[in-house]
Amino acid sequence: DAEITQSPRHKITETGRQVTLACHQTWNHNNMFWYRQDLGHGLRLIHYSYGVQDTNKGEVSDGYSVSRSNTEDLPLTLESAASSQTSVYFCASSESIETGELFFGEGSRLTVL
Amino acid sequence: GQNIDQPTEMTATEGAIVQINCTYQTSGFNGLFWYQQHAGEAPTFLSYNVLDGLEEKGRFSSFLSRSKGYSYLLLKELQMKDSASYLCAVKSFNQAGTALIFGKGTTLSVSS
Repeated sequence: DAEITQSPRHKITETGRQVTLACHQTWNHNNMFWYRQDLGHGLRLIHYSYGVQDTNKGEVSDGYSVSRSNTEDLPLTLESAASSQTSVYFCASSESIETGELFFGEGSRLTVL
Repeated sequence: GQNIDQPTEMTATEGAIVQINCTYQTSGFNGLFWYQQHAGEAPTFLSYNVLDGLEEKGRFSSFLSRSKGYSYLLLKELQMKDSASYLCAVKSFNQAGTALIFGKGTTLSVSS
């Protein structure tokens, strides 16, 4: 079955380190998204991509970057991790911009000490 | 900017009916979604409304009024497994294209 997977599922890192969260989907969806979820804030959009070589900033993009070199993967990089980036990160993909139904990965819990 | 409001918490009894409201303010509105998220799990799609009116899907129904910037999710014959967070999300056009913006979610607790 097609799926969307994130790795690592749990990570602890130190302030200032570079961290990359991987997201891989096998649905061949063009549209991919990264969200973070925090108590009191809900899901907030970080970056998104509508296809290879396309990336766009979301609501809370500062301190994060993404790249889209193929259809299947959208890695999220924290250039210099900060304690404020401690969160649960969800990757999602969708087939159609029009219907927009998102399929989410299981999430990656990141702790920055 | 965009603003999506929904109650933080709700409680209900097994077998009852509950209505979760969502109000939104956004430019370039292009559809409203409801997602369910159990604790520690990923959100899963429940419903999608782009036109005014009621969409029914089994025990769950969703209503949209675009003129009022208002939607609700109606859950009937509540079961214990319906205890979860319910996320209202608005799809809107912006300068970079179309993205789905979520409200903070409503945590529903169903008791026996």
